[in-house]
Amino acid sequence: AQSVAQPEDQVNVAEGNPLTVKCTYSVSGNPYLFWYVQYPNRGLQFLLKYITGDNLVKGSYGFEAEFNKSQTSFHLKKPSALVSDSALYFCAVRDATGGGNKLTFGTGTQLKVEL
Amino acid sequence: DVKVTQSSRYLVKRTGEKVFLECVQDMDHENMFWYRQDPGLGLRLIYFSYDVKMKEKGDIPEGYSVSREKKERFSLILESASTNQTSMYLCASGLQGVHEQYFGPGTRLTVT
Repeated sequence: AQSVAQPEDQVNVAEGNPLTVKCTYSVSGNPYLFWYVQYPNRGLQFLLKYITGDNLVKGSYGFEAEFNKSQTSFHLKKPSALVSDSALYFCAVRDATGGGNKLTFGTGTQLKVEL
Repeated sequence: DVKVTQSSRYLVKRTGEKVFLECVQDMDHENMFWYRQDPGLGLRLIYFSYDVKMKEKGDIPEGYSVSREKKERFSLILESASTNQTSMYLCASGLQGVHEQYFGPGTRLTVT
């Protein structure tokens, strides 16, 4: 079965510093990976996805993610954090069952960016 | 822009009541999903549908049912609400294939 792990419940970073939110995956077959963000009292918003091709994927709001097959990781990054980036971040992997349309989500990482 | 709307943002129901949560999407997506979100557990899939009148169980279907009579609408039903169903419920839609899902704003349900 497909799964993703987000090893950190919370990440704290100072505004202007680079940020990384970690995600590792376990799949049989090709990994299709996603990042979502959730602001307080809102639904999830799609940030970016990796299907194939370049290992560095660029997404919304200046975020990018690096796919690393040997380390089975898909970490979310941003060169310079903003206070407004403070939110809950979810990594997800496509589940090959159910016609390949399902996603399996991680438990989420709370990002806190402080002045 | 894709829009997924949910009938209520906040809902309070009593134990044993029948509860309907409605979700509507306006992008002609084939797939629709219901998740519940609980702290420390992330999102867990309750049911999904890949076509009108079609449904499949997700990871935690017990105590829930769904209905999809029209392509744009996907309803989640709690036949007899219980306190352990107090949660945030998120609806999503998406195209067939390896595509992202689009989420509604969520319904925070409290069962007392």
